[in-house]
Amino acid sequence: QKEVEQNSGPLSVPEGAIASLNCTYSDRGSQSFFWYRQYSGKSPELIMSIYSNGDKEDGRFTAQLNKASQYVSLLIRDSQPSDSATYLCAVSLNNAGNMLTFGGGTRLMVKP
Amino acid sequence: SAVISQKPSRDICQRGTSLTIQCQVDSQVTMMFWYRQQPGQSLTLIATANQGSEATYESGFVIDKFPISRPNLTFSTLTVSNMSPEDSSIYLCSVGSGNEQFFGPGTRLTVL
Repeated sequence: QKEVEQNSGPLSVPEGAIASLNCTYSDRGSQSFFWYRQYSGKSPELIMSIYSNGDKEDGRFTAQLNKASQYVSLLIRDSQPSDSATYLCAVSLNNAGNMLTFGGGTRLMVKP
Repeated sequence: SAVISQKPSRDICQRGTSLTIQCQVDSQVTMMFWYRQQPGQSLTLIATANQGSEATYESGFVIDKFPISRPNLTFSTLTVSNMSPEDSSIYLCSVGSGNEQFFGPGTRLTVL
């Protein structure tokens, strides 16, 4: 059974700090990895995708992938109160944009 | 990315009735999906809406309960049939674009 695991949180960080969100997955054949941000009462918004080992940076966000350890993380630098949301990790067995399995999400709280 | 709209945005329904949710995309897309997000939970894929053929349902979801139509490449409907309070959820459509998926705003359904 495919599983994607996240710590539910809440993860509380002070404004300006680095928030580190982690995700592990069970299927070693997974090929595509995504981070979605979901504000309360809103739908998920794609913020990062990563397909190969290493780091991928986009503004204040850095996604890190380690396929050997079956581990993907999201770092948010200079965290802002507006980053307070639930972050969902999603994993796919292919690169076709389908077959997504979602983790339970980590709730992030950035305190001013 | 494509602009995705859903109707209705929310509804309150009586048990035993059915509700049809519409998903409209502003451009043609090959892949469309329907998800359910139960209160406080992550996203669960209900089915892939296939244009011109029957939808592909995930384990635990059946066509009699969640009939889906996909008459063209920009539109799909999901019907929640013979509703019970356990069907109270947010229902989301998503579209595949390249390697990624993007979500519509969701339909918040409450069944009394």
